[in-house]
Amino acid sequence: NAGVTQTPKFRILKIGQSMTLQCTQDMNHNYMYWYRQDPGMGLKLIYYSVGAGITDKGEVPNGYNVSRSTTEDFPLRLELAAPSQTSVYFCASSLSKGGAGELFFGEGSRLTVL
Amino acid sequence: QKEVEQNSGPLSVPEGAIASLNCTYSDRGSQSFFWYRQYSGKSPELIMSIYSNGDKEDGRFTAQLNKASQYVSLLIRDSQPSDSATYLCAVKGGSSGKSTFGDGTTLTVKP
Repeated sequence: NAGVTQTPKFRILKIGQSMTLQCTQDMNHNYMYWYRQDPGMGLKLIYYSVGAGITDKGEVPNGYNVSRSTTEDFPLRLELAAPSQTSVYFCASSLSKGGAGELFFGEGSRLTVL
Repeated sequence: QKEVEQNSGPLSVPEGAIASLNCTYSDRGSQSFFWYRQYSGKSPELIMSIYSNGDKEDGRFTAQLNKASQYVSLLIRDSQPSDSATYLCAVKGGSSGKSTFGDGTTLTVKP
C-alpha cells in the first residue's frame, strides 16, 4: 500500500494563477481531509469529505474548492492564488469518524505564491 | 480561546530526562485524543491515541487523559535526541469526525 499520495511536492505560483493539488489514498478510507500548516503553527482544516460526493468546509475554506468523485481521490483546487496561500498543504485520510479515527498523512505539498 | 491549546515551547530537556507535554481542549463532547510527532520538513505521524480517562502506556510514551479537566498530556521517559521534534495534540469531536490541532510544542533533547 502506498498510503496517501500527494502531488506535486513543490510548486511556485504567481499571484492570480490557479492550480490543483492532487491527493489519492489506497486504504479504502471514507474520510479525507485537507489541512494547511503555516510556519510554526499547527494544522488548520480547509475542507473534508466523509465519502464520495460529500464535502464540507473546515476552518479556513476561503480561496479553495474540493471535489470527491471517488473514494480514492480528493483534489484541492486553488483559484486566484494569493500570497496568503503560501503554506504547506497536507492531505490526510481516516477509516472512521469516531473511535480509532487516527489520521494518515501524505508527505505534503509546499506551495509558494509570489 | 483556542479549541486546542498546547504549552508554549520550545521545550528543552537533557538526554535521559522525562519530557512533559500538555494540552487542553474546549469541547466537552470530544471523544478521541491523539498525539502526533512531526519532524522538521516531514508530515505528522501518530504516536499515541487515548479515548478514556486515565493513563495509556506504549514503550517510553505515556498519554494521560482527564476529561473532567479537559486535559491531555504526553510523557516521554528516557528522552533521546531522536525524540527532538514538534508534538501536535489533536482532538476529535464525537459528531463531526474532524480533528482539531494545537499549534504544537517543539521538543529538543540535548545529548
